[in-house]
Amino acid sequence: GENVEQHPSTLSVQEGDSAVIKCTYSDSASNYFPWYKQELGKGPQLIIDIRSNVGEKKDQRIAVTLNKTAKHFSLHITETQPEDSAVYFCAASYYGNNRLAFGKGNQVVVIP
Amino acid sequence: DTGVSQDPRHKITKRGQNVTFRCDPISEHNRLYWYRQTLGQGPEFLTYFQNEAQLEKSRLLSDRFSAERPKGSFSTLEIQRTEQGDSAMYLCASSFPGQASGANVLTFGAGSRLTVL
Repeated sequence: GENVEQHPSTLSVQEGDSAVIKCTYSDSASNYFPWYKQELGKGPQLIIDIRSNVGEKKDQRIAVTLNKTAKHFSLHITETQPEDSAVYFCAASYYGNNRLAFGKGNQVVVIP
Repeated sequence: DTGVSQDPRHKITKRGQNVTFRCDPISEHNRLYWYRQTLGQGPEFLTYFQNEAQLEKSRLLSDRFSAERPKGSFSTLEIQRTEQGDSAMYLCASSFPGQASGANVLTFGAGSRLTVL
């Protein structure tokens, strides 16, 4: 099955700086890569996703890039704000497969 | 629409007892998923329903676990003879595979946290 790994496990950034989280996946058949944000006491919330026919996708301060050859994808958060502090999970699956394989998560701490 | 609802939010039980969790998905979503999340880990897939049919089960779903979705709406997850290793957050998610993007976008509930003493 798919194996997704995330690095680093914890990331501290000064408010206003950028944060980058990288994930690698193992199954070359995977073609859908969502990112979820989980705040304390809440379930994961989808913040952005990308399909394998696209190399980059941006939504305001958040962007995701995908490198299919290297089998890795990254989340970029620019101009970080205290409300960006949370655990971020990457995941992978392929169309027709109903299982999302999640990474272990990255704790992002934005220091005011 | 209030999103995906889960009940109870927290459950503390003694080892050996049975527990049941309920999930109410977004009303127009025909797919429903159960995931388990332990501390410091990402969610792990347990099982998946399309309407009332349970179509996939993970090897994590031992014989002590049973999930139902009798009318294709709400779902229950029952754990019999609980063990301390069952302590986790049980997350429910739903989706409707018809989004414009073509992707199967999961919407998660807040989860039901189980503590087995």
